Amino acid sequence: KAGVTQTPRYLIKTRGQQVTLSCSPISGHRSVSWYQQTPGQGLQFLFEYFSETQRNKGNFPGRFSGRQFSNSRSEMNVSTLELGDSALYLCASSRSSSGGPDGELFFGEGSRLTVL
Amino acid sequence: GQNIDQPTEMTATEGAIVQINCTYQTSGFNGLFWYQQHAGEAPTFLSYNVLDGLEEKGRFSSFLSRSKGYSYLLLKELQMKDSASYLCAVVTGANNLFFGTGTRLTVIP
Repeated sequence: KAGVTQTPRYLIKTRGQQVTLSCSPISGHRSVSWYQQTPGQGLQFLFEYFSETQRNKGNFPGRFSGRQFSNSRSEMNVSTLELGDSALYLCASSRSSSGGPDGELFFGEGSRLTVL
Repeated sequence: GQNIDQPTEMTATEGAIVQINCTYQTSGFNGLFWYQQHAGEAPTFLSYNVLDGLEEKGRFSSFLSRSKGYSYLLLKELQMKDSASYLCAVVTGANNLFFGTGTRLTVIP
């Protein structure tokens, strides 16, 4: 079956702009999580959506937002971009949102954002 | 806050055994995952532990001690392709998943 698909794979923006990233989960997966990955900080949890509802949110400013559609596809948006937002943004889907074997995450290849 | 600690880097020889440790202090505990991430690629699932003890899966084993807030990933018969980052991730009591910063393992001939 098809894996998690993220678009775009690479993008370059300038400070102050906004960006929207898209994620299509594995068919049948209802949970979509977003992570920011940087060399020094590792994987930082942004938020999780389950059945179109934000279930959890990490410790990121309000400039970071997301949503999930009825087909489980998800988008995340970052407004007023800062240099420090340059990172790899990973989306992951899972069957359920709880801990446990069904909480195993399947990651997409990521969207690499560079802010100039 | 949540705290998950792993060594930053490790080096081991092809054919040897390596143990990657992970200690955690979190608000509750509902399980621990290990993921492998090769450079430039997405993380992939290796193991899941929720009960104390050792889970073995081929060359890879994962151990958990809930009372000590401690886990390790054991890799046997190391191969060059095992060079990657290994991420420890803990599910908290609120079912949030937090990752450690990862351990970069280099396997040398």
